Amino acid sequence: NAGVMQNPRHLVRRRGQEARLRCSPMKGHSHVYWYRQLPEEGLKFMVYLQKENIIDESGMPKERFSAEFPKEGPSILRIQQVVRGDSAAYFCASSLLPGTATSTDTQYFGPGTRLTVL
Amino acid sequence: AQTVTQSQPEMSVQEAETVTLSCTYDTSESDYYLFWYKQPPSRQMILVIRQEAYKQQNATENRFSVNFQKAAKSFSLKISDSQLGDAAMYFCAYANTDKLIFGTGTRLQVFP
Repeated sequence: NAGVMQNPRHLVRRRGQEARLRCSPMKGHSHVYWYRQLPEEGLKFMVYLQKENIIDESGMPKERFSAEFPKEGPSILRIQQVVRGDSAAYFCASSLLPGTATSTDTQYFGPGTRLTVL
Repeated sequence: AQTVTQSQPEMSVQEAETVTLSCTYDTSESDYYLFWYKQPPSRQMILVIRQEAYKQQNATENRFSVNFQKAAKSFSLKISDSQLGDAAMYFCAYANTDKLIFGTGTRLQVFP
């Protein structure tokens, strides 16, 4: 029973390049969440997606960052024109049930992608 | 806005002893969920325990238990019979909708 898969585990980019981070949720899960962890800090919510829909992107920076979760395939977090401040660990989590105002299912995390911007 | 505070940046415990990690939170909601996640050096986030606010009974998972004080908005984690493998960062988290709100973490060291 595979858990949440993320790849690559480590990604190095030069300033101005694009970074693509992939996340495959647990089998049967259709709710995906992305979080960012800066060095020596806790995780910060970025975006919540269901298949083909962005539900909550209140934590996403307004520029250069985008996320998608297509009908087929993994969820993608895309960072355009990366800067040194984007260096962080990016975690994906998935849940079986949706997070709503009346219920919150447990989110299971992947191993993270560590992005280093040179 | 909801916030989660972990006031102990670092804690240490002797193997086989008991340690308690503190967490407080702020919310105006009455229904919500609280979690403790463990992050070992591998950086994998591992769910340790979950508590539903409407349940008065404290959650327990083997050597891990919580002391949930809803009125005080306190949610501490007790680790009994500590083991070397318990050494990690521990994050307290709050959720009442789709996002988890994390504290800044407590680094737990376990000494033999």
